Amino acid sequence: GAVVSQHPSWVICKSGTSVKIECRSLDFQATTMFWYRQFPKQSLMLMATSNEGSKATYEQGVEKDKFLINHASLTLSTLTVTSAHPEDSSFYICSASSPGNSNQPQHFGDGTRLSIL
Amino acid sequence: LAKTTQPISMDSYEGQEVNITCSHNNIATNDYITWYQQFPSQGPRFIIQGYKTKVTNEVASLFIPADRKSSTLSLPRVSLSDTAVYYCLPVPDYGGATNKLIFGTGTLLAVQP
Repeated sequence: GAVVSQHPSWVICKSGTSVKIECRSLDFQATTMFWYRQFPKQSLMLMATSNEGSKATYEQGVEKDKFLINHASLTLSTLTVTSAHPEDSSFYICSASSPGNSNQPQHFGDGTRLSIL
Repeated sequence: LAKTTQPISMDSYEGQEVNITCSHNNIATNDYITWYQQFPSQGPRFIIQGYKTKVTNEVASLFIPADRKSSTLSLPRVSLSDTAVYYCLPVPDYGGATNKLIFGTGTLLAVQP
């Protein structure tokens, strides 16, 4: 079945560093991908919709200059957390689904654990 | 998007059948009901999806009454490995891959030996 892969699975870095997270659709092309953030013991919160070849659409309250999204190919979207600070520490998850059939479920990556020291 | 209400948590024992009910009073006519399972430090995993009546697959059954204002996920004979958070989400049948998902609080199922 459709698989979505994220890399890296976890990252620890110093405050002020920019961190890039990759999301790949492995066996299908995804014109749209989604990025979520999840804090401990909380639900997933949608951050933005990544659109291939165009600008991402951000949810209310999510800073687009802080969380840069690039979707340059049909199988890859990247999320860059710029000048990360401890409050950006979280679990970041991406998702995508196969195009065509409107009832195809979203498939999620295994997430990236980001820890900012 | 329709709001969902689920119990925050449930407890069960190995071998029991577990039923998790989700309320979605203002579900739209073209919404499907989709359930996901999430283990700690992993992304959600699709379990089952349905529109009305009953749907069954190799891992679960989904019961949806005629008014579609609620749905019940049924897990037969749970094991310790079924301990996870379960989310129900109404998802429109249009838009396909562009449908964004809005997660509610989910239900933390704890299975004990």
